[in-house]
Amino acid sequence: QSVLTQPPSVSAAPGQKVTISCSGSSSNIGGHYVSWYQQLPGAAPKVLIYENNKQFSAVPDRFSGSVSGTSATLGITGLQTGDEADYYCAAWDRSLSALLFGGGTKLTVL
Amino acid sequence: EVQLVESGGDLVQPGGSLRLSCTASGFTFSGYDMHWVRQAAGGGLEWVSGIGHGGDTNYADSVKGRFTISRENGKNSLYLQMNSLRVGDTSVYYCTRGVPGALDVWGQGTTVTVSS
Repeated sequence: QSVLTQPPSVSAAPGQKVTISCSGSSSNIGGHYVSWYQQLPGAAPKVLIYENNKQFSAVPDRFSGSVSGTSATLGITGLQTGDEADYYCAAWDRSLSALLFGGGTKLTVL
Repeated sequence: EVQLVESGGDLVQPGGSLRLSCTASGFTFSGYDMHWVRQAAGGGLEWVSGIGHGGDTNYADSVKGRFTISRENGKNSLYLQMNSLRVGDTSVYYCTRGVPGALDVWGQGTTVTVSS
């Protein structure tokens, strides 16, 4: 059971926009940077967004991140079939002294 | 090329021990925090443990007291000693590099199966 809460799945058509939410608390998202990871089927995760809203090297600007209070959001525009993957948010939790991952969201591009 | 390669995964009985290794190349290993993250089949990512470049360590509650993370900078290596293994520890274990605000390099993973 994850302390960071993500929707299990989201879907949208090619070319459309989708957002994935990540809800936490003041001890994690509310006080520490959020990062987002993409895991394609059968592959290791890779970082998309770090420090809440910075795109990692070589990540297309179709991917964006934002934080408001104790919630974070990953946005993906111009959806492509190659974007079908599992997406995870992560943040340090100062109460637990542990890095937390969200439960993951499966993106389907219809 | 920056690379992390894990090894040591195996089939082990409940209550047994296993030591995972991760060999780094292509960067100055001693200057980075390092972490272990695991993923059960069909499940999500779970952070297991981290060690700072200065040697400070942290553990998930689920492994505290059973797992020990360590590093040997002279060998560019990260380790995870896993004792008192449980069926629930069965996962793919990833070695990852920590940078401010993210885990930016991941290995391909090594599989640990705990079963009788």
